[in-house]
Amino acid sequence: SQELEQSPQSLIVQEGKNLTINCTSSKTLYGLYWYKQKYGEGLIFLMMLQKGGEEKSHEKITAKLDEKKQQSSLHITASQPSHAGIYLCGAREGTASKLTFGTGTRLQVTL
Amino acid sequence: NAGVMQNPRHLVRRRGQEARLRCSPMKGHSHVYWYRQLPEEGLKFMVYLQKENIIDESGMPKERFSAEFPKEGPSILRIQQVVRGDSAAYFCASSPTGTGENSPLHFGNGTRLTVT
Repeated sequence: SQELEQSPQSLIVQEGKNLTINCTSSKTLYGLYWYKQKYGEGLIFLMMLQKGGEEKSHEKITAKLDEKKQQSSLHITASQPSHAGIYLCGAREGTASKLTFGTGTRLQVTL
Repeated sequence: NAGVMQNPRHLVRRRGQEARLRCSPMKGHSHVYWYRQLPEEGLKFMVYLQKENIIDESGMPKERFSAEFPKEGPSILRIQQVVRGDSAAYFCASSPTGTGENSPLHFGNGTRLTVT
């Protein structure tokens, strides 16, 4: 079965700093999904990447997909306290509908 | 435009009791997925259902757990004879399409089950 490994597991950055979270798959990626979870709440969909080399941005968050490396990265520019939370990557295995998720990266942004 | 609705938000049960968790998908979505998140662990897939059908239950424990998604009404995740190890956050997600389509899953806020 597919496994997704995220790094780092946790991250503390000062407000205004940039940061990158990585997600590496044990198998070929058929679409990669990034979600954010705040404590005690559900997952909020951020972005979906489908093709190798694809890059998407939403506000200060940019995600890229490297199909050959079976890896995706999420980059936050000029982090703010509102970016704090747990970031999860998810992927489908083949044609399956369910998403398998990584273990998450816990982000704290200090003032 | 209501999102995925789960209730209750918090549920406390004593060992041996039954827990029923409800999930109403987003309007127009006919595919429902249940996930479990244990403390300090990742999100684990449990079951995938379409209306009146279980499509994939590869993540469901073999005993005490069942799920349904009737023609009318919400999807129900049922846990019989709960044990302390069942304490977790249970999330429901929905999508408008299923296999082969790259639509994202939309999640509810979860039900936090505590077994005392």
